[in-house]
Amino acid sequence: NAGVTQTPKFRILKIGQSMTLQCTQDMNHNYMYWYRQDPGMGLKLIYYSVGAGITDKGEVPNGYNVSRSTTEDFPLRLELAAPSQTSVYFCASSYGGTKNTGELFFGEGSRLTVL
Amino acid sequence: LAKTTQPISMDSYEGQEVNITCSHNNIATNDYITWYQQFPSQGPRFIIQGYKTKVTNEVASLFIPADRKSSTLSLPRVSLSDTAVYYCLVVDYNQGGKLIFGQGTELSVKP
Repeated sequence: NAGVTQTPKFRILKIGQSMTLQCTQDMNHNYMYWYRQDPGMGLKLIYYSVGAGITDKGEVPNGYNVSRSTTEDFPLRLELAAPSQTSVYFCASSYGGTKNTGELFFGEGSRLTVL
Repeated sequence: LAKTTQPISMDSYEGQEVNITCSHNNIATNDYITWYQQFPSQGPRFIIQGYKTKVTNEVASLFIPADRKSSTLSLPRVSLSDTAVYYCLVVDYNQGGKLIFGQGTELSVKP
């Protein structure tokens, strides 16, 4: 059981480049989330999704886009990378709805540096 | 969404009981209280969740008073490996599960 898988684990981008952080889960979870964590700080919610085809903004959505075409996948797109987007990105999932146990399952994180 | 307030940091020694309190004054009727633990370079890990009174599992206990405006995570007999950041979240699962993490409490356990 792989759980939540994020790729890549590390990436260096130049200012203005674009990239997609991939996230997939094999637990048939309805809810999926993207967080970013700057050094020494807490997690900030970027976007979340309560099911395929449904996404919503979190606390810090500017500069990012997401899509949820399947239950398993929730990619995060950075269109024009900026140094302020240097961070560690975590994807998470949970059952949601009537099956919700309150537990978020996190991936190992993707460390992104924008130079 | 209910805002949470926790101490920024706490120090303890091995073998002691540690209590971390979280304030959530505007908690709503449907809100649950959930605690997570995060080690450096890892994603947070679920510890415990409760609605009222006391909940206990193999890792921790969660105490919630009758007014639910605060909660206390209790870690019995901590070890060095309990050094981590602990987050308190207040969640209304009926509202689509938008989960906001606060600043967290950095617990340092010393020998």
